[in-house]
Amino acid sequence: EIVLTQSPGTLSLSPGERATLSCRASQSVSSSHLAWYQQKPGQAPRFLIYGASSRATGIPDRFSGSGSGTDFTLTISRLEPEDFAVYYCQQYGTSPLTFGGGTKVEIK
Amino acid sequence: EVQLVESGGGLVQPGGSLRLSCAASGFTFSSYWMHWVRQAPGKGLLWVSRISSDGSTTSYADSVKGRFTISRDNAKNTLYLQMNSLRAEDTAVYYCATSPSTADCQWGQGTLVTVSS
Repeated sequence: EIVLTQSPGTLSLSPGERATLSCRASQSVSSSHLAWYQQKPGQAPRFLIYGASSRATGIPDRFSGSGSGTDFTLTISRLEPEDFAVYYCQQYGTSPLTFGGGTKVEIK
Repeated sequence: EVQLVESGGGLVQPGGSLRLSCAASGFTFSSYWMHWVRQAPGKGLLWVSRISSDGSTTSYADSVKGRFTISRDNAKNTLYLQMNSLRAEDTAVYYCATSPSTADCQWGQGTLVTVSS
């Protein structure tokens, strides 16, 4: 099973700042089958990024994904108030599919 | 509008069974692989199972293998999760979702399963 480790656990930032979230895999993620999700309390996850770097439908361009192999990054260029949430990465190239433990982006 | 609506959750005793349903609308259900993902209270996301578009291929997390069965009825645009031999640790919100391999991946709002005596 591919283990995904997300860091940091919590990121304390102010609106307008840049957020950089890391997702590291225990082995190479095939064909960059890596996705990112945003989740707010009491809501279902929102799909942000697939294929490591492609934005999902309707996702603002301040969200970007990068990386390959075992190291992946989600960047939010300028935090908006609605971006404070928990973010999860997921690999879907190898069964069982797995999620990282999440990074909470909180208001500083 | 694309919509996934889960149902069938509730309170069940340990060792009991429950069948979850996920009704799909607004897209060609029969063309998509489908997934179940769960989230225990206050915890992260855990992938549970997936099924191919025609239902011929399935896979499961080790924690549910042999107890849960995923299936689908493309004529009814509905995904199912039959859950047997339920344990306290299966308590979670269960989400159905389309595959994350395309730009239009969608998730339902979830249904809560509570396993307790």
